Amino acid sequence: EVQLVQSGAEVKKPGESLKISCQGSGYNFTNHWIGWVRQMPGKGLEWMGTIYPGDSDTRYSPSFQGQVIISVDKSASTAYLHWSSLRASDSAMYYCARPFGRAYWGQGTLVTVSS
Amino acid sequence: QSALTQPASVSGSPGQSITISCTGTSNDIGTYNYVSWYQQHPGKAPKLMIYEVSNRPSGVSNRFSGSTSGNTASLSISGLQAEDEANYYCSSYARISTPWVFGGGTKLTVL
Repeated sequence: EVQLVQSGAEVKKPGESLKISCQGSGYNFTNHWIGWVRQMPGKGLEWMGTIYPGDSDTRYSPSFQGQVIISVDKSASTAYLHWSSLRASDSAMYYCARPFGRAYWGQGTLVTVSS
Repeated sequence: QSALTQPASVSGSPGQSITISCTGTSNDIGTYNYVSWYQQHPGKAPKLMIYEVSNRPSGVSNRFSGSTSGNTASLSISGLQAEDEANYYCSSYARISTPWVFGGGTKLTVL
């Protein structure tokens, strides 16, 4: 069974760094694009970017280019979303997803940034 | 502004049929058969309803169907039920993007 399991909710202060994770199982992690989706409170879904674990080819949405870093650890079958300096506007639910074909999604990670 | 355009809201009565449109361009829906539709109830994660334009994952009711015509994808729901009331999002592979894009979402109200 394909599963994407995300790390737990985070509460951070502005300016702090954060890395959240998404571990895949039940499939060949290396051979499938995996991406991150943001959903701000009461708003729609936004693709942030996707990465191909096989060669770490990474594509960012223009809105998120330079704001976050997407990375992967093939040995751990895990994708990451990293902020170096959080802002209050980063408060949102973040989902990882394997978008091609029959898509699979993680359960979501709630990030709250507040002083 | 979302890359794909959906109506903000649609409504229908129980038992009726509705269709939600999703308009893109030749860089996404018009060229690639990688259109997906998601249902999201408040406070829940999105649920895949349709993938690759018209395929239903196992467990999704056959009341849900998908299609495309030119640069527009459509999600049809027949025999509306109260539980269908939710937000629906379309998504497509897009050659010159992330490479995935979403529509802005459509709120379905079952009257």
